[in-house]
Amino acid sequence: AQSVTQLGSHVSVSEGALVLLRCNYSSSVPPYLFWYVQYPNQGLQLLLKYTSAATLVKGINGFEAEFKKSETSFHLTKPSAHMRDAAEYFCAVRSLSGANNLFFGTGTRLTVIP
Amino acid sequence: KAGVTQTPRYLIKTRGQQVTLSCSPISGHRSVSWYQQTPGQGLQFLFEYFSETQRNKGNFPGRFSGRQFSNSRSEMNVSTLELGDSALYLCASSSGTFTDTQYFGPGTRLTVL
Repeated sequence: AQSVTQLGSHVSVSEGALVLLRCNYSSSVPPYLFWYVQYPNQGLQLLLKYTSAATLVKGINGFEAEFKKSETSFHLTKPSAHMRDAAEYFCAVRSLSGANNLFFGTGTRLTVIP
Repeated sequence: KAGVTQTPRYLIKTRGQQVTLSCSPISGHRSVSWYQQTPGQGLQFLFEYFSETQRNKGNFPGRFSGRQFSNSRSEMNVSTLELGDSALYLCASSSGTFTDTQYFGPGTRLTVL
């Protein structure tokens, strides 16, 4: 069965500092992985996805993530945090059963300190 | 293209009542998935409909049901509401292929009193 684990339910960074949000996956086969962002009172917006092409995936708003099979990780990074990045971030893995559903991590709330 | 729309955005119901939520997917998308988001359980998959057929179902009681119409719009119904059903219900649409992205709507916030 597939699953993802997000380390750190809350992360605080200063504006302009590096953002690093951690996600580790568990899957018996190469997974399809996603990062979504959720702003208050809104739905989920896709930041980026890994579908077994390039291991370094670039997304929207300056975010990127690197797939590391040896570490079973798919951490999300951004070189310089902006105030507008304050939100909740979810890592997700696609079901391998042929069904079209995602398994989500528990989320990481990012706070950006001015 | 217009995004995924969900109606209503907010609902307040009392225990024992039933509720119907609606989701209109992105034009051309044939797959609609429903998720429940709560502070305690996080984001959990409810079910997916593809071409009017339920293709997959999560681990929820039978009080949770859904359907999809020929225009791909989907409805979700919860009968005999319980306090624990209070949640944000999110709908996601996609083309239905395995590598396709799921696009989420803004959600319906259900409060059960």
